[in-house]
Amino acid sequence: QVQLVQSGAEVKKPGASVKVSCKASGYTFTSYYMHWVRQAPGQGLEWMGIINPSGGSTSYAQKFQGRVTMTRDTSTSTVYMDLSSLRSEDTAVYYCARDDGGNYVPVNWGQGTLVTVSS
Amino acid sequence: EIVLTQSPGTLSLSPGERATLSCRASQSVSSSYLAWYQQKPGQAPRLLIYGASSRATGIPDRFSGSGSGTDFTLTINRLEPEDFAVYYCLQYGSSSLTFGQGTKLEIK
Repeated sequence: QVQLVQSGAEVKKPGASVKVSCKASGYTFTSYYMHWVRQAPGQGLEWMGIINPSGGSTSYAQKFQGRVTMTRDTSTSTVYMDLSSLRSEDTAVYYCARDDGGNYVPVNWGQGTLVTVSS
Repeated sequence: EIVLTQSPGTLSLSPGERATLSCRASQSVSSSYLAWYQQKPGQAPRLLIYGASSRATGIPDRFSGSGSGTDFTLTINRLEPEDFAVYYCLQYGSSSLTFGQGTKLEIK
């Protein structure tokens, strides 16, 4: 079965960077795009971007352009989301989510990683 | 960027009743690429509906989606206790995906 296992919670200071990982199993890693979505405490869902694990191409939401980098390691079936210049408003749960293999709709979700930005 | 507006913000109903949730887009959603998710506290979202009206795997038939263009609806018939949660719509027809702000379905 499809499993997406994310790295553990992080506490960062303002201005720092964070790198969250998402290890995939149970399917062919390079055949499905991966999204990143975040959710601030008590707030709604916010799409950050998408990566094609096959070639590594990415597309980011305009809001995060210049601050986010999504990469992948095909040898370990892992995708990464790196967010820089952190501020308090970046405190959120970050999710990876695999698409459906055809239309880019996120289907299978990781368990989420809480990133707390605090001085 | 396509803005999705969900209404109502909160819906208070009793088990057994029917829920009707709305999602309106600021511009037409390409090919009805509109999905609905359910989220319970402390959990990741769960895909219910994709392509505006297709149920995802394992979703009970009391959940149904409809609509096209800019107006979409999620209907939940015969509410069960486990259906009380927050629901989000998502458009994935443009290169930048966007979510609605959510509708909280609470027990009356």
